[in-house]
Amino acid sequence: QQQVKQSPQSLIVQKGGISIINCAYENTAFDYFPWYQQFPGKGPALLIAIRPDVSEKKEGRFTISFNKSAKQFSLHIMDSQPGDSATYFCAARATSGTYKYIFGTGTRLKVLA
Amino acid sequence: EADIYQTPRYLVIGTGKKITLECSQTMGHDKMYWYQQDPGMELHLIHYSYGVNSTEKGDLSSESTVSRIRTEHFPLTLESARPSHTSQYLCASSDIRGSSFGSGTRLTVV
Repeated sequence: QQQVKQSPQSLIVQKGGISIINCAYENTAFDYFPWYQQFPGKGPALLIAIRPDVSEKKEGRFTISFNKSAKQFSLHIMDSQPGDSATYFCAARATSGTYKYIFGTGTRLKVLA
Repeated sequence: EADIYQTPRYLVIGTGKKITLECSQTMGHDKMYWYQQDPGMELHLIHYSYGVNSTEKGDLSSESTVSRIRTEHFPLTLESARPSHTSQYLCASSDIRGSSFGSGTRLTVV
């Protein structure tokens, strides 16, 4: 049972454009929502994260928007660059101190030069 | 740069062999995880550990086993490898900010 739904599965963006990846969750007990970036042959790397009491978080060109009532959150990559081409995973952390993360299915982003 | 190390990076092994995938972290994290991932696909949690002598199976059924005798070490063992075990295995540890992943072990069972 997929508890975090991610879309789109793949995305092609022109250099300088905005990349938007969306995730939706079902479990209201999730308390932390990180995004990971994975390059081929590497493990995922933590990119940016948000807590549900914040509606937006920005770090450089990366922004997370969070809509608690809709149980949705999204990653925006501004001024997308070819070096941003990677697979992006959203995740949600279950509460109760387990630090158990549920990952989305991933979005393969390609930024055209 | 994440301080979590996995060895070997690549492994080709025959059916029926016993293998151990190594994972070590230097961050002192209590929580550690093993994920199975086909290239570019979603991550499936197969084992996790809250700390020394604490391990639990994840959401994806796996014939592998794990141990956690030391905080920094979380090896995964397959007693008898089969072609269906061919995949990438990712080890991770986490703190309050999120998870750090190793570079993975790409396992091929022939």
